[in-house]
Amino acid sequence: EIVMTQSPATLSVSPGERATLSCRASQSVSSNLAWYQQKPGQAPRLLIYGASTRATGIPARFSGSGSGTEFTLTISSLQSEDFAVYYCQQYNNWITFGQGTRLEIK
Amino acid sequence: QVTLKESGPALVKPTQTLTLTCTFSGFSLSTSGMRVSWIRQPPGKALEWLARIDWDNDKFYSTSLKTRLTISKDTSKNQVVLRMTNMDPVDTATYYCTRWSTGGYFDYWGQGTLVTVSS
Repeated sequence: EIVMTQSPATLSVSPGERATLSCRASQSVSSNLAWYQQKPGQAPRLLIYGASTRATGIPARFSGSGSGTEFTLTISSLQSEDFAVYYCQQYNNWITFGQGTRLEIK
Repeated sequence: QVTLKESGPALVKPTQTLTLTCTFSGFSLSTSGMRVSWIRQPPGKALEWLARIDWDNDKFYSTSLKTRLTISKDTSKNQVVLRMTNMDPVDTATYYCTRWSTGGYFDYWGQGTLVTVSS
Protein backbone atom coordinates (compact mmCIF):
# COMPACT_ATOMS: atom_id res chain seq x y z
CA GLU A 1 0.00 0.00 0.00
CA ILE A 2 1.25 3.47 -0.87
CA VAL A 3 1.47 5.66 2.23
CA MET A 4 0.71 9.36 1.80
CA THR A 5 2.27 11.70 4.34
CA GLN A 6 1.09 15.29 4.62
CA SER A 7 2.94 18.10 6.32
CA PRO A 8 2.54 20.05 8.40
CA ALA A 9 -0.34 18.62 10.38
CA THR A 10 -1.49 22.14 11.18
CA LEU A 11 -0.59 25.32 9.34
CA SER A 12 -1.36 28.77 10.73
CA VAL A 13 -1.51 31.52 8.13
CA SER A 14 -2.96 35.03 8.05
CA PRO A 15 -5.66 35.96 5.54
CA GLY A 16 -4.16 37.35 2.37
CA GLU A 17 -0.94 35.39 2.79
CA ARG A 18 0.24 32.35 0.84
CA ALA A 19 -0.17 28.82 2.16
CA THR A 20 1.96 25.89 1.02
CA LEU A 21 0.89 22.36 1.91
CA SER A 22 2.99 19.28 1.22
CA CYS A 23 2.19 15.68 0.42
CA ARG A 24 4.74 12.90 0.04
CA ALA A 25 4.14 9.43 -1.34
CA SER A 26 6.05 6.35 -0.13
CA GLN A 27 6.65 5.41 -3.77
CA SER A 28 6.09 7.12 -7.08
CA VAL A 29 2.48 7.86 -8.00
CA SER A 30 3.43 9.69 -11.21
CA SER A 31 0.95 12.57 -11.49
CA ASN A 32 -1.97 10.55 -10.18
CA LEU A 33 -2.63 12.79 -7.23
CA ALA A 34 -5.68 14.73 -6.12
CA TRP A 35 -6.29 17.35 -3.45
CA TYR A 36 -9.53 17.86 -1.52
CA GLN A 37 -10.80 20.54 0.80
CA GLN A 38 -13.05 19.64 3.72
CA LYS A 39 -14.88 22.09 5.93
CA PRO A 40 -16.47 21.09 9.25
CA GLY A 41 -19.62 19.04 8.78
CA GLN A 42 -19.19 18.87 5.01
CA ALA A 43 -18.05 16.29 2.53
CA PRO A 44 -14.65 16.74 0.90
CA ARG A 45 -14.58 18.81 -2.28
CA LEU A 46 -12.28 18.02 -5.17
CA LEU A 47 -9.80 20.85 -5.79
CA ILE A 48 -7.02 19.43 -7.94
CA TYR A 49 -6.49 16.24 -9.95
CA GLY A 50 -3.62 15.07 -12.10
CA ALA A 51 -1.40 16.86 -9.55
CA SER A 52 -2.00 20.26 -11.14
CA THR A 53 -5.37 20.48 -12.90
CA ARG A 54 -8.00 22.51 -11.11
CA ALA A 55 -11.42 20.93 -10.87
CA THR A 56 -14.44 22.73 -12.27
CA GLY A 57 -15.23 25.93 -10.43
CA ILE A 58 -12.09 26.01 -8.32
CA PRO A 59 -10.56 29.50 -8.03
CA ALA A 60 -7.23 30.20 -9.65
CA ARG A 61 -5.63 30.96 -6.28
CA PHE A 62 -5.46 27.18 -5.78
CA SER A 63 -2.59 25.51 -7.59
CA GLY A 64 -0.98 22.11 -7.44
CA SER A 65 2.47 20.97 -8.44
CA GLY A 66 4.79 18.01 -8.25
CA SER A 67 5.15 14.51 -9.61
CA GLY A 68 6.56 11.21 -8.49
CA THR A 69 6.67 11.36 -4.70
CA GLU A 70 6.60 15.06 -3.81
CA PHE A 71 3.55 17.29 -4.23
CA THR A 72 2.50 20.75 -3.17
CA LEU A 73 -0.80 22.56 -2.89
CA THR A 74 -0.44 26.33 -2.87
CA ILE A 75 -3.14 28.81 -2.02
CA SER A 76 -1.83 32.13 -3.22
CA SER A 77 -3.84 34.59 -1.16
CA LEU A 78 -5.89 33.07 1.60
CA GLN A 79 -9.54 33.98 1.84
CA SER A 80 -11.62 33.38 4.94
CA GLU A 81 -13.44 30.49 3.25
CA ASP A 82 -10.15 28.66 2.61
CA PHE A 83 -9.55 27.74 6.23
CA ALA A 84 -10.30 24.03 6.29
CA VAL A 85 -8.66 20.61 6.26
CA TYR A 86 -6.90 19.54 3.08
CA TYR A 87 -6.30 15.95 2.00
CA CYS A 88 -4.15 14.52 -0.74
CA GLN A 89 -5.06 11.24 -2.41
CA GLN A 90 -3.09 9.02 -4.76
CA TYR A 91 -4.80 6.95 -7.43
CA ASN A 92 -1.79 5.42 -9.13
CA ASN A 93 -2.05 2.16 -7.21
CA TRP A 94 -5.57 1.88 -5.89
CA ILE A 95 -6.53 4.56 -3.44
CA THR A 96 -4.92 6.01 -0.36
CA PHE A 97 -5.37 9.34 1.38
CA GLY A 98 -3.04 11.42 3.46
CA GLN A 99 -3.82 12.25 7.06
CA GLY A 100 -4.72 15.83 6.26
CA THR A 101 -3.38 19.31 6.94
CA ARG A 102 -5.51 21.65 9.00
CA LEU A 103 -5.19 25.21 7.71
CA GLU A 104 -6.09 27.64 10.46
CA ILE A 105 -6.26 31.37 10.83
CA LYS A 106 -3.19 32.93 12.38
CA GLN B 1 -26.35 17.95 -12.22
CA VAL B 2 -24.76 15.05 -10.38
CA THR B 3 -25.97 14.34 -6.86
CA LEU B 4 -25.49 11.44 -4.49
CA LYS B 5 -27.19 10.80 -1.17
CA GLU B 6 -26.53 8.16 1.44
CA SER B 7 -29.18 6.56 3.62
CA GLY B 8 -29.14 3.97 6.34
CA PRO B 9 -29.24 3.48 10.08
CA ALA B 10 -27.57 6.01 12.33
CA LEU B 11 -26.96 3.41 15.02
CA VAL B 12 -26.03 -0.25 14.81
CA LYS B 13 -25.05 -2.71 17.49
CA PRO B 14 -21.74 -4.55 17.57
CA THR B 15 -21.74 -7.73 15.45
CA GLN B 16 -24.69 -6.50 13.38
CA THR B 17 -24.58 -5.97 9.63
CA LEU B 18 -24.71 -2.43 8.28
CA THR B 19 -26.58 -1.76 5.06
CA LEU B 20 -26.16 1.62 3.39
CA THR B 21 -27.84 2.82 0.23
CA CYS B 22 -26.54 5.45 -2.14
CA THR B 23 -29.15 7.03 -4.39
CA PHE B 24 -27.72 9.11 -7.17
CA SER B 25 -28.81 11.21 -10.12
CA GLY B 26 -27.22 12.98 -13.04
CA PHE B 27 -25.49 9.91 -14.41
CA SER B 28 -26.22 6.25 -15.01
CA LEU B 29 -24.30 3.23 -13.80
CA SER B 30 -25.23 1.51 -17.03
CA THR B 31 -23.06 3.98 -18.95
CA SER B 32 -19.62 2.70 -19.88
CA GLY B 33 -16.93 4.05 -17.60
CA MET B 34 -19.16 4.99 -14.69
CA ARG B 35 -18.10 3.87 -11.24
CA VAL B 36 -19.34 4.50 -7.68
CA SER B 37 -17.31 4.13 -4.52
CA TRP B 38 -17.79 4.22 -0.77
CA ILE B 39 -15.38 6.06 1.51
CA ARG B 40 -15.55 6.46 5.27
CA GLN B 41 -14.15 8.86 7.82
CA PRO B 42 -14.03 8.17 11.55
CA PRO B 43 -14.69 11.28 13.66
CA GLY B 44 -11.68 13.58 13.52
CA LYS B 45 -9.71 11.17 11.35
CA ALA B 46 -8.70 10.71 7.75
CA LEU B 47 -10.55 9.26 4.80
CA GLU B 48 -10.50 5.56 4.00
CA TRP B 49 -11.58 4.05 0.68
CA LEU B 50 -13.83 1.00 1.06
CA ALA B 51 -15.24 -0.33 -2.17
CA ARG B 52 -16.08 0.35 -5.82
CA ILE B 53 -18.62 -0.95 -8.31
CA ASP B 54 -18.37 -0.37 -12.04
CA TRP B 55 -20.87 -0.03 -14.86
CA ASP B 56 -20.08 -3.61 -15.94
CA ASN B 57 -20.64 -4.91 -12.39
CA ASP B 58 -16.96 -5.35 -11.61
CA LYS B 59 -16.41 -4.94 -7.87
CA PHE B 60 -13.34 -3.99 -5.88
CA TYR B 61 -12.74 -3.87 -2.14
CA SER B 62 -10.30 -2.50 0.38
CA THR B 63 -7.79 -5.24 1.12
CA SER B 64 -8.16 -4.80 4.86
CA LEU B 65 -11.97 -4.98 4.81
CA LYS B 66 -12.78 -7.18 1.84
CA THR B 67 -13.99 -10.11 3.92
CA ARG B 68 -16.67 -7.91 5.50
CA LEU B 69 -17.85 -5.84 2.53
CA THR B 70 -20.32 -6.42 -0.26
CA ILE B 71 -21.20 -3.79 -2.84
CA SER B 72 -24.06 -4.09 -5.31
CA LYS B 73 -26.10 -1.94 -7.64
CA ASP B 74 -29.63 -1.54 -8.89
CA THR B 75 -29.24 0.32 -12.14
CA SER B 76 -32.97 0.78 -12.64
CA LYS B 77 -33.20 2.63 -9.32
CA ASN B 78 -29.88 4.48 -9.62
CA GLN B 79 -28.78 2.95 -6.35
CA VAL B 80 -25.66 1.36 -4.95
CA VAL B 81 -25.77 -0.66 -1.73
CA LEU B 82 -22.91 -1.36 0.65
CA ARG B 83 -23.12 -4.07 3.25
CA MET B 84 -20.58 -4.38 6.05
CA THR B 85 -20.80 -7.36 8.37
CA ASN B 86 -19.71 -7.81 11.97
CA MET B 87 -19.76 -4.13 12.87
CA ASP B 88 -17.49 -2.95 15.68
CA PRO B 89 -17.22 0.36 17.53
CA VAL B 90 -14.09 1.17 15.51
CA ASP B 91 -16.34 1.23 12.43
CA THR B 92 -18.05 4.34 13.77
CA ALA B 93 -17.64 6.85 10.97
CA THR B 94 -19.27 9.06 8.40
CA TYR B 95 -19.80 6.98 5.29
CA TYR B 96 -19.68 8.77 1.94
CA CYS B 97 -20.90 7.67 -1.45
CA THR B 98 -18.82 9.11 -4.27
CA ARG B 99 -18.53 9.03 -8.02
CA TRP B 100 -15.19 7.66 -9.13
CA SER B 101 -13.99 9.68 -12.08
CA THR B 102 -12.40 8.06 -15.09
CA GLY B 103 -9.02 9.02 -13.68
CA GLY B 104 -9.43 7.56 -10.19
CA TYR B 105 -10.23 10.61 -8.14
CA PHE B 106 -13.62 11.43 -6.65
CA ASP B 107 -15.39 14.27 -8.39
CA TYR B 108 -18.78 14.14 -6.66
CA TRP B 109 -19.58 13.25 -3.06
CA GLY B 110 -22.72 12.65 -1.11
CA GLN B 111 -23.29 14.59 2.10
CA GLY B 112 -22.31 11.55 4.15
CA THR B 113 -24.14 9.61 6.81
CA LEU B 114 -22.83 9.14 10.33
CA VAL B 115 -23.02 5.58 11.59
CA THR B 116 -22.38 4.91 15.26
CA VAL B 117 -21.64 1.40 16.46
CA SER B 118 -22.64 0.97 20.08
CA SER B 119 -24.56 -1.41 22.24
